[in-house]
Amino acid sequence: GAVVSQHPSRVICKSGTSVKIECRSLDFQATTMFWYRQFPKQSLMLMATSNEGSKATYEQGVEKDKFLINHASLTLSTLTVTSAHPEDSSFYICSARIAVAGLGTGELFFGEGSRLTVL
Amino acid sequence: GNSVTQMEGPVTLSEEAFLTINCTYTATGYPSLFWYVQYPGEGLQLLLKATKADDKGSNKGFEATYRKETTSFHLEKGSVQVSDSAVYFCALAPFGNEKLTFGTGTRLTIIP
Repeated sequence: GAVVSQHPSRVICKSGTSVKIECRSLDFQATTMFWYRQFPKQSLMLMATSNEGSKATYEQGVEKDKFLINHASLTLSTLTVTSAHPEDSSFYICSARIAVAGLGTGELFFGEGSRLTVL
Repeated sequence: GNSVTQMEGPVTLSEEAFLTINCTYTATGYPSLFWYVQYPGEGLQLLLKATKADDKGSNKGFEATYRKETTSFHLEKGSVQVSDSAVYFCALAPFGNEKLTFGTGTRLTIIP
């Protein structure tokens, strides 16, 4: 099946620094990518929807200036956690939807996730 | 709003045992229902889905039936294998909407 790759898989940073997480669709083009956040023993929470070439759409309660999302090409979306703090420590997961001509939605493929730890 | 409640884990079973992981949902209208599986070190993968009431999704020996009267989508497998050890997520998407709402996930461990 289609492959979505996230990098890095684990990152540890100091409080106040910014961290960038990449999400790549390796063998297909993705017009839409989604970013999720997962706290321990909790559900994946949708943070934002990223559309290629346009601004991301953020879910209620997600700080746009804190979590910068860029979807510059059909195979790459990035999530930058700016001025990270310990409470931003979490598991971040992206998913990508295959661009399927003529259909409303295509299957979603998920990355393996990126674990951020802010000291 | 939409929500998904699934059986808390972890669940540990012996090989060849019967598996049930419960999932119930709250949503308006007629959502599509999904089970995703996450094997160690990998991303979530779609295991099966159902898009309307009474539909049965099936894959790799797993089954789940969309029960609107009980708002449930329980995952079952008749005989589990060690290779089924993973985290299983129940999810829903409103009709015509691709935004998924996930349950908390259930970690399943199968012992030989």
